[in-house]
Amino acid sequence: AQSVTQLDSQVPVFEEAPVELRCNYSSSVSVYLFWYVQYPNQGLQLLLKYLSGSTLVKGINGFEAEFNKSQTSFHLRKPSVHISDTAEYFCAASTSGTYKYIFGTGTRLKVLA
Amino acid sequence: ETGVTQSPTHLIKTRGQQVTLRCSSQSGHNTVSWYQQALGQGPQFIFQYYREEENGRGNFPPRFSGLQFPNYSSELNVNALELDDSALYLCASSWGTATYGYTFGSGTRLTVV
Repeated sequence: AQSVTQLDSQVPVFEEAPVELRCNYSSSVSVYLFWYVQYPNQGLQLLLKYLSGSTLVKGINGFEAEFNKSQTSFHLRKPSVHISDTAEYFCAASTSGTYKYIFGTGTRLKVLA
Repeated sequence: ETGVTQSPTHLIKTRGQQVTLRCSSQSGHNTVSWYQQALGQGPQFIFQYYREEENGRGNFPPRFSGLQFPNYSSELNVNALELDDSALYLCASSWGTATYGYTFGSGTRLTVV
């Protein structure tokens, strides 16, 4: 069965420092991978997606992620975070032709001044 | 381009009651999916509607039902509410099976007392 694991429930980081949020997936077939951000009392906003092709994916707000098939990972990175990046980040996976996403449990990024 | 709008934003119901949540999909999208997000968890897929028919369902009991209308808007109905139904309910629209990513609404926060 398909699953998504986000091992870090909370990640504190100082402003202007780099950050990496980890995501691992399990699937016996090809997957599509997504990162979403959720600000307090809001819905989810798509940051970036991997469908195929280049394994390095760039998204909005300076975020990027790298698809690593051998390690079944899709970690999210940002070289320099801002206070405004404080939010909950969700990794999600789906497979070709399916209609549902499997979400991880989320990582709360807290950027400290 | 309008986004996904959900109503109401907050709702308090008593155990055993019934509730209807509403969603207007983003312009140009023909598929609506509903997710339940319990506190501190990632969203869980409830079901998806495409061309007014249920196109897939997650592990939710039959008391969770839905409708999609010709204008692609949608309703989520929950009968015989239980305390564990308290959650943020997210509506997401897409073109087709959401391979390229959903657009999420801000959600309806349902509290069952």
